[in-house]
Amino acid sequence: GQNIDQPTEMTATEGAIVQINCTYQTSGFNGLFWYQQHAGEAPTFLSYNVLDGLEEKGRFSSFLSRSKGYSYLLLKELQMKDSASYLCAVRSPSGNTPLVFGKGTRLSVIA
Amino acid sequence: DADVTQTPRNRITKTGKRIMLECSQTKGHDRMYWYRQDPGLGLQLIYYSFDVKDINKGEISDGYSVSRQAQAKFSLSLESAIPNQTALYFCATSDLTTSEQFFGPGTRLTVL
Repeated sequence: GQNIDQPTEMTATEGAIVQINCTYQTSGFNGLFWYQQHAGEAPTFLSYNVLDGLEEKGRFSSFLSRSKGYSYLLLKELQMKDSASYLCAVRSPSGNTPLVFGKGTRLSVIA
Repeated sequence: DADVTQTPRNRITKTGKRIMLECSQTKGHDRMYWYRQDPGLGLQLIYYSFDVKDINKGEISDGYSVSRQAQAKFSLSLESAIPNQTALYFCATSDLTTSEQFFGPGTRLTVL
């Protein structure tokens, strides 16, 4: 079966740090994507983790623990424009099935 | 120019009408997808195609059909639109080796 869990909503303050968690229980695993989606717009790629550990890309970092079925997206120095939904998606081992998306976490950044 | 384009971007139609949403891509990807997204909800996969001769149902294919006219084109049809098909529809493509998906700008469909 496929099950991906993310918190539905989060609120954080401008300038702060926020961590968005994603846990997954899938029949096989070969990588995890994070996408950002502003309201009414298309999702855009943020990061891809296939090995355990932390991948840093500017203000955004993504962490993966395959043994725990767990990933998080860390956003530093939050800006108002970071208010968006953040989707995690799991890739199957064969790559012959579509990505399985979580329902997304809606982040609101407040002043 | 955008790599994945969708037409129309907005459409208002009436119950019972047949509607076609079109998607074109210049990324050269074999794999294409159609998703719907309802307000505040995640992406739901409608249909996907891994090459021109391959069509697969997703989790919510009832009431929809697709056509893969060429590598670059993948159309979604609603044979007889109903109000609960009002949603934002996204087309996406993916690279074979990485599975990273690239999304079109979306079509906002309203069925009255």
